[in-house]
Amino acid sequence: AQKITQTQPGMFVQEKEAVTLDCTYDTSDQSYGLFWYKQPSSGEMIFLIYQGSYDEQNATEGRYSLNFQKARKSANLVISASQLGDSAMYFCAMRRIGGGNKLTFGTGTQLKVEL
Amino acid sequence: GAVVSQHPSRVICKSGTSVKIECRSLDFQATTMFWYRQFPKQSLMLMATSNEGSKATYEQGVEKDKFLINHASLTLSTLTVTSAHPEDSSFYICSARMEIVEYGYTFGSGTRLTVV
Repeated sequence: AQKITQTQPGMFVQEKEAVTLDCTYDTSDQSYGLFWYKQPSSGEMIFLIYQGSYDEQNATEGRYSLNFQKARKSANLVISASQLGDSAMYFCAMRRIGGGNKLTFGTGTQLKVEL
Repeated sequence: GAVVSQHPSRVICKSGTSVKIECRSLDFQATTMFWYRQFPKQSLMLMATSNEGSKATYEQGVEKDKFLINHASLTLSTLTVTSAHPEDSSFYICSARMEIVEYGYTFGSGTRLTVV
């Protein structure tokens, strides 16, 4: 079975600073995908970034980058130059390629950006 | 970009009644849609996988007779909560998969169900 672990229930960061949200995963699959989503208080799930297990380079998307360490099974999200609008819940998720293509979500990290 | 429309966004119903939630992919075809349930300050829990033209696959512990899922077309899946009870009050959110894109999972905006 696949499992995603996010050990930080809550994080604070000052505006304009960088912050790292941790995510580790457990799978015996060779091929899988890792996602980060942002969920503001309104509830919608906003896709941020994706990393395929065979991608050699770390994914980047604007202010978001994914620090992928395959041997350690970690996929941390780095947000640079934090903004007040970044305050939200952040979920790490893993896709099992084949096997129904379901996403398994972590428990989430509540990020609050302060002035 | 890919858009998924989910309606209604909020619904209040009386205990014992049924509620239908629609999930529609607006600009792509989705052979697979997923239904999740989320309690406050918790993660998304997958309830079922909906495949166009076939029966939904329910996760362990999810009552298929209570949560009826229909995926009648490539752009529409519905979740019906039958004989709703206060404990069914929750946030329900759907996701549609765009198969040509490896990371193509687009979420609806969610439905907040309150059963009184």
